[in-house]
Amino acid sequence: QLQLQESGPGLVKPSETLSLTCTVSGGSISNSSYYWVWMRQSPGKGLEWIGSIYYSGSTYYNPSLKRRVTIAVDTSKNQFSLKLSSVTAADTALYFCARRSLWLVYYYMDVWGQGTTVTVSS
Amino acid sequence: DIQMTQSPSSLSASVGDRITITCRASQTISTFLNWYQHKPGKAPKVLIYAASNLQSGVPSRFSGSGSGTDFTLTISSLQPDDFATYYCQQSYITPWTFGQGTKVEIK
Repeated sequence: QLQLQESGPGLVKPSETLSLTCTVSGGSISNSSYYWVWMRQSPGKGLEWIGSIYYSGSTYYNPSLKRRVTIAVDTSKNQFSLKLSSVTAADTALYFCARRSLWLVYYYMDVWGQGTTVTVSS
Repeated sequence: DIQMTQSPSSLSASVGDRITITCRASQTISTFLNWYQHKPGKAPKVLIYAASNLQSGVPSRFSGSGSGTDFTLTISSLQPDDFATYYCQQSYITPWTFGQGTKVEIK
């Protein structure tokens, strides 16, 4: 059974870079059927899609965050990662990783991690 | 961006009740609409994809309907395990966007 687990520092200082990793277990991140996704949930903005990556490294990002976001994949470790630069208190959130599936032409996130809380504070 | 608006934002109901949550998109999204259930500390779970398709393993008391801009999630007979927050999400166009959530609480 596929599982995803987020990991990374729970506290990041303002203006620094937030770095998180999602470890995929019970399946291969190189499966050509799926994309891998980062999202976050904050009290102020609800759930927000950050971006997605394919095992080949192809990415697409939310335009509102694109300037600060980098998502990368490491197939040898079965992991993908998120970096968000120049963080502020507005980036305090519960961060989720997920798998994006496709049925016909419809996309949906069918497996999620439990999420990891990141607080931006000095 | 497409705005997704859910109503109500919260509701109180009893075990056995039939409940309906609505989701409205700011522009037409055909049937590119998914529903998720989230409990605190747990991984969110997809219930319905493509507006009306029940995800494998999800109980049949959950159903979804709608197209265009208006969608509903119905739980035909609320069970204790169903008390959670529910979100709609459009996958019509990026950036994918979510509703603000509907918290279902025990009356």
